[in-house]
Amino acid sequence: DSGVTQTPKHLITATGQRVTLRCSPRSGDLSVYWYQQSLDQGLQFLIQYYNGEERAKGNILERFSAQQFPDLHSELNLSSLELGDSALYFCASSVEAPGTQYFGPGTRLLVL
Amino acid sequence: AQTVTQSQPEMSVQEAETVTLSCTYDTSESDYYLFWYKQPPSRQMILVIRQEAYKQQNATENRFSVNFQKAAKSFSLKISDSQLGDAAMYFCAYRTIFGGTSYGKLTFGQGTILTVHP
Repeated sequence: DSGVTQTPKHLITATGQRVTLRCSPRSGDLSVYWYQQSLDQGLQFLIQYYNGEERAKGNILERFSAQQFPDLHSELNLSSLELGDSALYFCASSVEAPGTQYFGPGTRLLVL
Repeated sequence: AQTVTQSQPEMSVQEAETVTLSCTYDTSESDYYLFWYKQPPSRQMILVIRQEAYKQQNATENRFSVNFQKAAKSFSLKISDSQLGDAAMYFCAYRTIFGGTSYGKLTFGQGTILTVHP
């Protein structure tokens, strides 16, 4: 157990819908990272926050957005969902930014 | 942009034997971090080992060690005394130490599936 929690574990939804994935970092970690793992794209970095501020951005779609709240938990919002958004979404956290990242268990998203 | 390549899609090893997983990377930077992560069937990503590029000494964590060849841009993982619980997908990853848009980003290889035979 890395200490990073993600909810929900599984999510099944329909195309066009919007979902929110939640992440709570390890106690004391200020930085949160989001990654997407899909069969065709592998593991891709989406976005990073440090103490509430966006620090780095990867190939995150405009339909996706994220934020980190004052209590340091983070949410990843995915809207206008498409079949290709089906993937495993990981959150990771680190004490500093950048730092060694510890991953949560992931949220498995299935878009039907 | 940095790239990470794992040329072995699958590897297998007998229990108690030693296996080496390969990883090469491409970067123009002189300092960076390299990692190996393990993803068992549960899909959890577990940190195995970390190497700082400025350190010449190869990192070791119990049965796991790396062979870091900076000039060759090679970073292989050696697993000694393999156990059934080592069966997983292994990912090599690169991280810059510099700022900019890639700050903090892990760049992963495609992964190597390791099978351990009893």
